[in-house]
Amino acid sequence: EVQLVQSGAEVKKPGESLKISCQASGYTFTKYWIGWVRQMPGKGLEWMGIIYPGDFDTRYSPSFQGQVTISANMLISTVYLQWSSLKASDTAMYYCARRNQDTTGSPSDYWGQGTLVTVSS
Amino acid sequence: DIQMTQSPSSLSASVGDRVSITCRASESINNYLNWYQQKPGKAPKLLIFAASTLQSGVPSRFSGSGSGTNFTLTIGSLQPEDFATFYCQQSYSTLYTFGQGTKLEIK
Repeated sequence: EVQLVQSGAEVKKPGESLKISCQASGYTFTKYWIGWVRQMPGKGLEWMGIIYPGDFDTRYSPSFQGQVTISANMLISTVYLQWSSLKASDTAMYYCARRNQDTTGSPSDYWGQGTLVTVSS
Repeated sequence: DIQMTQSPSSLSASVGDRVSITCRASESINNYLNWYQQKPGKAPKLLIFAASTLQSGVPSRFSGSGSGTNFTLTIGSLQPEDFATFYCQQSYSTLYTFGQGTKLEIK
């Protein structure tokens, strides 16, 4: 069974760093892209970026380029999203989602449960 | 970026109603259009991919149509569990983008 399990909720102060994770299981980790999606409180879904764990090819949406870093560790089938200096505006729920390129249209077929990040002084 | 515009942004309907939500892309995306349902406090769930293909396990009252720039999600007969927020997503470019969402509420 395919599963994406994300790390737990975080409460941080502005200026702090943070790395959240998404651990995959039930499929060959290196063969599928995994993306990150932001959902600010009461708002819609925003695609942040995506990584291919097989060769670490990483793409960022223009709004998030330079603001976050996406990485992966093949040994533990885990993808990460990290910030070097958080802002209050980073407060949001963050989801990871697998891109299934074996399916027509390459939809995001499996999603993590979400990680709530709260940034407050 | 490919921009996705959904309408309406909110919709009130009753159990048993037939409703439609539209999604327009800023450029042609062929049929690389997916629909998701999100309930409060939950992750989005894939309903339809490639504009019209029902994801396994999704009830047949959900259907999708369209190609190019104009797409529609239709729910044939609303059930109580269908009230949620729906998002379209283009997967034509590597950097996917979502519509702003349509909140479906009980009338």
